[in-house]
Amino acid sequence: EDKVVQSPLSLVVHEGDTVTLNCSYEVTNFRSLLWYKQEKKAPTFLFMLTSSGIEKKSGRLSSILDKKELFSILNITATQTGDSAVYLCAASRYGGSQGNLIFGKGTKLSVKP
Amino acid sequence: EAGVTQFPSHSVIEKGQTVTLRCDPISGHDNLYWYRRVMGKEIKFLLHFVKESKQDESGMPNNRFLAERTGGTYSTLKVQPAELEDSGVYFCASSQQGAGGYTFGSGTRLTVV
Repeated sequence: EDKVVQSPLSLVVHEGDTVTLNCSYEVTNFRSLLWYKQEKKAPTFLFMLTSSGIEKKSGRLSSILDKKELFSILNITATQTGDSAVYLCAASRYGGSQGNLIFGKGTKLSVKP
Repeated sequence: EAGVTQFPSHSVIEKGQTVTLRCDPISGHDNLYWYRRVMGKEIKFLLHFVKESKQDESGMPNNRFLAERTGGTYSTLKVQPAELEDSGVYFCASSQQGAGGYTFGSGTRLTVV
């Protein structure tokens, strides 16, 4: 059965720390991997990764995909309290509906002042 | 532009009753998706509309769930009759045709008592 596993499930850091969130996947006909940030309600899109080894950056956030080892990481440098959220990882597949995403359980990040 | 809108934000109903959730996607987005997150579990795909047609409904749990998207605009998800295990947060997302990113709504929290 296809699955996406995120670790850790929960993380508490102090402002200024750097964090790395992990996402591993076992997905048939893997297409791409997506990262979302969920603060209160709606998950907001961060990155979509399709190719291996190409880092995507957006401000203090960056992410990379390793299709050989079947994982992705999301890095956040110089964390701020506003980074506190649940970070979701999801995989999409070829052959089916593009929206048929396989989600992980999420990593809850708490950034303390 | 207005985001994906869902309502109600929270609904509490008794077992055996009927509930209808509504999703208004971003204007012009042909793709509309429904997902569900049961407490403690991952977000799971339910179904995908392209305009008014069901592209993929492989994630629908059973025939107590009925999704419609008449006219290809807003969508409704009806649960009839509701059971306790239907409790969870129901998310809707939309995307443009061919686009990889999905914009999520804030979700409807359904509690069946």
